[in-house]
Amino acid sequence: GESVGLHLPTLSVQEGDNSIINCAYSNSASDYFIWYKQESGKGPQFIIDIRSNMDKRQGQRVTVLLNKTVKHLSLQIAATQPGDSAVYFCAGGSGGGADGLTFGKGTHLIIQP
Amino acid sequence: GAVVSQHPSWVICKSGTSVKIECRSLDFQATTMFWYRQFPKQSLMLMATSNEGSKATYEQGVEKDKFLINHASLTLSTLTVTSAHPEDSSFYICSASEQGTPYEQYFGPGTRLTVT
Repeated sequence: GESVGLHLPTLSVQEGDNSIINCAYSNSASDYFIWYKQESGKGPQFIIDIRSNMDKRQGQRVTVLLNKTVKHLSLQIAATQPGDSAVYFCAGGSGGGADGLTFGKGTHLIIQP
Repeated sequence: GAVVSQHPSWVICKSGTSVKIECRSLDFQATTMFWYRQFPKQSLMLMATSNEGSKATYEQGVEKDKFLINHASLTLSTLTVTSAHPEDSSFYICSASEQGTPYEQYFGPGTRLTVT
């Protein structure tokens, strides 16, 4: 079955620096990927998504890169702020959105002052 | 827009009792709703997919007779945990997608279930 995993469970960065969170996936049938941010005790919050026919997408302070050759995607957060502290999950979907998402293990991003 | 609510936000129940969790799309019609479970410090695991007016599709390993899902309207889905046991204690999160934009799943705030 499909699995989506993250390389690092915890990432600590200085405030103002850029953060890069990585994710690997195994299911070639995944046709879109989403990054979510989850704060303690809350539901996931959408950050950015990317379709499988793209290799890069930019949002406000965030960029997602997709490398289908090695089945890898990353989330780049520019100029991290204290409010960016959270657990970040990548998730993969298929079936044109009809199927539920497969989530990775999560990376806890810690912003140091 | 695209707000999903859950009720209750937390619940404590005794072992053997049943608990119902509601998931509502407040400002859109949700043709599909998903239920996830998240244990502490773990990721979200998909439990089931429900389409309005249809029976839910459960993921492998999820007992359909224990986790009853009803999606009776385009704005409401319910998850009932029957004969709850302490191992059912978890964070239950629903998400919903709107017809026409199936790629966008909007998540609810979650319901913390504790079974004593």
